[in-house]
Amino acid sequence: NAGVMQNPRHLVRRRGQEARLRCSPMKGHSHVYWYRQLPEEGLKFMVYLQKENIIDESGMPKERFSAEFPKEGPSILRIQQVVRGDSAAYFCASSPGPGRETQYFGPGTRLLVL
Amino acid sequence: AQTVTQSQPEMSVQEAETVTLSCTYDTSESNYYLFWYKQPPSRQMILVIRQEAYKQQNATENRFSVNFQKAAKSFSLKISDSQLGDTAMYFCAFISGYGGATNKLIFGTGTLLAVQP
Repeated sequence: NAGVMQNPRHLVRRRGQEARLRCSPMKGHSHVYWYRQLPEEGLKFMVYLQKENIIDESGMPKERFSAEFPKEGPSILRIQQVVRGDSAAYFCASSPGPGRETQYFGPGTRLLVL
Repeated sequence: AQTVTQSQPEMSVQEAETVTLSCTYDTSESNYYLFWYKQPPSRQMILVIRQEAYKQQNATENRFSVNFQKAAKSFSLKISDSQLGDTAMYFCAFISGYGGATNKLIFGTGTLLAVQP
């Protein structure tokens, strides 16, 4: 049973470009979470999605960031007009049910903004 | 708001010895879940162990065990017979058992453990 898949593993963007991060949850998991890890810090919650629904986006910056989890295909975290402060590791996690279930993490996407 | 505190930024242990990593948390809830995740140099987040607050028995997974003190809001991780592969950053995490907060893990700042040969 494949784990949580994220791609790309590394992404380099110049300031002002768009970044698209993809996450495929574990088979049988319909709940997806995105976390951000800034250098030398712990992970911070960004958003929680179920298929076609954003359930909790309380950790998402109000501008430039968006997330989706369509009926078909992976979950996408989109960052528009990236700035240097967006450089971080972005982790996706999935679970079979709501958050009380253990969340299993993907390998992360390292975003570097030049 | 819930918080998780790891007061040991770095620790070191000799191979085959035992080490304990500390974690305290703050919450007014009685139903919640606690986790330890490890992040080796590969940066992958790997679940180590999980504890339900309503269970009095401490969770154990092979060489990893916890000391869960609910009244003291303490959740320490003990690693027995340390191995070189245990070298990693260890994060303590909390998740609420109630309502809309059950979807977000709250992480501590981590403890970097180095296992010395």
